[in-house]
Formats: sequence, structure tokens, C-alpha cells
Amino acid sequence: AQRVTQPEKLLSVFKGAPVELKCNYSYSGSPELFWYVQYSRQRLQLLLRHISRESIKGFTADLNKGETSFHLKKPFAQEEDSAMYYCALRNQGGKLIFGQGTELSVKP
Amino acid sequence: NAGVMQNPRHLVRRRGQEARLRCSPMKGHSHVYWYRQLPEEGLKFMVYLQKENIIDESGMPKERFSAEFPKEGPSILRIQQVVRGDSAAYFCASSPEEHEQYFGPGTRLTVT
Repeated sequence: AQRVTQPEKLLSVFKGAPVELKCNYSYSGSPELFWYVQYSRQRLQLLLRHISRESIKGFTADLNKGETSFHLKKPFAQEEDSAMYYCALRNQGGKLIFGQGTELSVKP
Repeated sequence: NAGVMQNPRHLVRRRGQEARLRCSPMKGHSHVYWYRQLPEEGLKFMVYLQKENIIDESGMPKERFSAEFPKEGPSILRIQQVVRGDSAAYFCASSPEEHEQYFGPGTRLTVT
């Protein structure tokens, strides 16, 4: 079965604290994984993709095939990071399979 | 290059009416995807289209739902005889070939 699981519906941290948004997947084959972010009243936009191994806005995510995880991390959260975060897997057919989303709230 | 456009942004329909949701992909993008987000849930794939072709409709409900992407004009997601359970946010995404998908702002459908 192809599935993406984000176990936390809401994650609340204080500004400057480290943050980790969890994502686990189930996929037979080589997955292509993404993190999308949706800021308040804005459209969904791509934050990271695992193949590019880049850091965007201080966020990084490493694909761990052994643990079938693709957790999103940032060492020091900022208030402007508050948003909905979706982990997604793209299958061979091209469609995206999304997790349920995690709402990140960064408090001052 | 304008982003993916969707209209209307909000649509209210009574039970039994038809809903038509439009998606204009980004310029140069020939691949369109429709996703549905029910309240408190993540986005779920519905259908993948290329110009004049349905590539994958495995996520479409068997009845009342249809989608098209004609040679000219926007992609249309059509829901006939809407029911309360169709109330959701419907997102369209487009891509050039099978690359990164760019999302539209969504259409929020409310069935009363």
C-alpha cells in the first residue's frame, strides 16, 4: 500500500526552539518525497524535495529508507514558520500521495 | 508567468445541483492534477489529465464526477447532483511533463 503518515496534527513550539515534523511512508520501490507548506490564506507551495538535498528557509529533510521516514527539521524555529506542512510521496504514475498535514505553531 | 488559476474560489450549491470547477494551468504546462481535501483530512488525488486525455482517474468517485482538459481552455472538474459529502476544497496542480506540481489556490465547495 502507498501511504504517507504524519502522526502529529498540531505541533507547538517557542521561537528559537528546534522543530521536527515527522513523516513516515509506505511504498514498494524508490520513493520520491516532498514537503509542501501552506501559509495562512496562501496556496500550497513546494518547500523541499529529497532528491535535491537542499536547505530552504533553514529547513532540511533526510530520507531514511531503513526507517521509511522523511522528517522535516529546523534548528531554530521562527514565528513566520507557522503554517500547515504536508509530506507527500510521488508514485511512478506521477500523482502525489499526501499525509494528513501537521499544523506548526511557533509562539513568541 | 501567472500561477495556476482556479475559479471560482468559493462555490455554493444546493443538493442536486451541478458544480463546475475550473483550472487554468501555468503557461507551458500540459499536465493537470485534481486533488480533494475533505475537512480535517489531507489532500487526496482524484484525477490526472493531459491535453484531451485522462491518464489516471483512480481517485475519482465512480458516479457523478467527471473531468476534462480540452485542447483549448481550462480543465474542468464537474460534479453532478451534488450531495453534502461533496463539500470540500478542490485543488488543481499543473506541471510541465512529470516534474514539480504547482498548485492553485483551490475552490471551496459548500453544498447546502
